[in-house]
Amino acid sequence: QVQLVESGGGLVKPGGSLRLSCAASGFTFSDYYMSWIRQAPGKGLEWVSYISSSGSTIYYADSVKGRFTISRDNAKNSLYLQMNSLRAEDTAVYYCASPDGIGGAFDYWGQGTLVTVSS
Amino acid sequence: QSALTQPASVSGSPGQSITISCTGTSSDVGSYNLVSWYQQHPGKAPKLMIYEVSKRPSGVSNRFSGSKSGNTASLTISGLQAEDEADYYCCSYAGSSIDWVFGGGTKLTVL
Repeated sequence: QVQLVESGGGLVKPGGSLRLSCAASGFTFSDYYMSWIRQAPGKGLEWVSYISSSGSTIYYADSVKGRFTISRDNAKNSLYLQMNSLRAEDTAVYYCASPDGIGGAFDYWGQGTLVTVSS
Repeated sequence: QSALTQPASVSGSPGQSITISCTGTSSDVGSYNLVSWYQQHPGKAPKLMIYEVSKRPSGVSNRFSGSKSGNTASLTISGLQAEDEADYYCCSYAGSSIDWVFGGGTKLTVL
């Protein structure tokens, strides 16, 4: 069955960096678009970034543009999110999810990894 | 891009029906039939319940239905059950470079 497993979360100081990973299994990862979605504690969902199946098309939310970089390694069935210049407001559970095409629904989700930005 | 507007909370008794609204703009909900709804229980990942306004993924109960009129989408849950108590989020495509926008979430309480 489809499985997405995030890792790499933790406590980081403001201005610091962190790299999240998402390991995919149970489906042909290289055929699927992927996204990162986050949820601040007690808050709603926020779309963060999108990458096409080949990695050639990438989009970011304005809130992370210029600080976060999404990438993927189809040979390793893995998705990544490099987060730099972290701020307190980036504190959230980060989910990797697979959208059913551009603008499509997110039908598969990981369990999430918590990122806490605090001094 | 502003979040879609949902009521903070709704409630209903077992067996009743409830509807959760999701109001956007002509740039998102009103322009695309790409509205989806997610159910999230505490401490769990969201689960897709409705996609493309009114379609149900395999395995989702037919008690869940979706619709859209203008800039407002709606999720209706009929025959409420205790396990339906959760947070519900709507989501819409908002065009390239904006991509996806979510609602603020609605807490459903089954009385």
